[in-house]
Amino acid sequence: DAGVIQSPRHEVTEMGQEVTLRCKPISGHNSLFWYRQTMMRGLELLIYFNNNVPIDDSGMPEDRFSAKMPNASFSTLKIQPSEPRDSAVYFCASSLGYQETQYFGPGTRLLVL
Amino acid sequence: EDQVTQSPEALRLQEGESSSLNCSYTVSGLRGLFWYRQDPGKGPEFLFTLYSAGEEKEKERLKATLTKKESFLHITAPKPEDSATYLCAVHNQAGTALIFGKGTTLSVSS
Repeated sequence: DAGVIQSPRHEVTEMGQEVTLRCKPISGHNSLFWYRQTMMRGLELLIYFNNNVPIDDSGMPEDRFSAKMPNASFSTLKIQPSEPRDSAVYFCASSLGYQETQYFGPGTRLLVL
Repeated sequence: EDQVTQSPEALRLQEGESSSLNCSYTVSGLRGLFWYRQDPGKGPEFLFTLYSAGEEKEKERLKATLTKKESFLHITAPKPEDSATYLCAVHNQAGTALIFGKGTTLSVSS
């Protein structure tokens, strides 16, 4: 299996621009998670989906962040407008069930200037 | 509040020098404790899951153990390729989120 696929791997943008991060989970996994990792706060859960339905978005920092999962093989995390404090590494993970072992993608390193 | 604390933050070892990493947790009903390895510029890589006190799991030079308050990741005769950040995470009974510690960065020199 190819594992969790994320794109782009690196993104540099200017403050105020829209940023879209993409994720393809492992085939057959029905839970998908978006995390953000920073030096200060470590890994934090932003949102997770079960069977394409958002279950818990309490970690989404503010209304500038939104996530969708239109089908079982694709999810997006959008930031609009982006701010410098959004600079971080964003990871997508998937699992067979929401309490099962999570497998992480390689991450998207975002820099907002 | 559920919490995971890892110590030490950083650990330097000589090749062959065994040691242990600690993960202390406070959680409302442990459903599972997970260990991950993260290399620079990569995503966390799953190592072990432990579910109940007294459980142990092994993989090559790594051995994870679990008590009611903490977990240890024992590294026996480490090699330079074991250098990475090791992350501990817990699932509580509600299972609404995987709570991660800040990690221990291990450096093994030859």
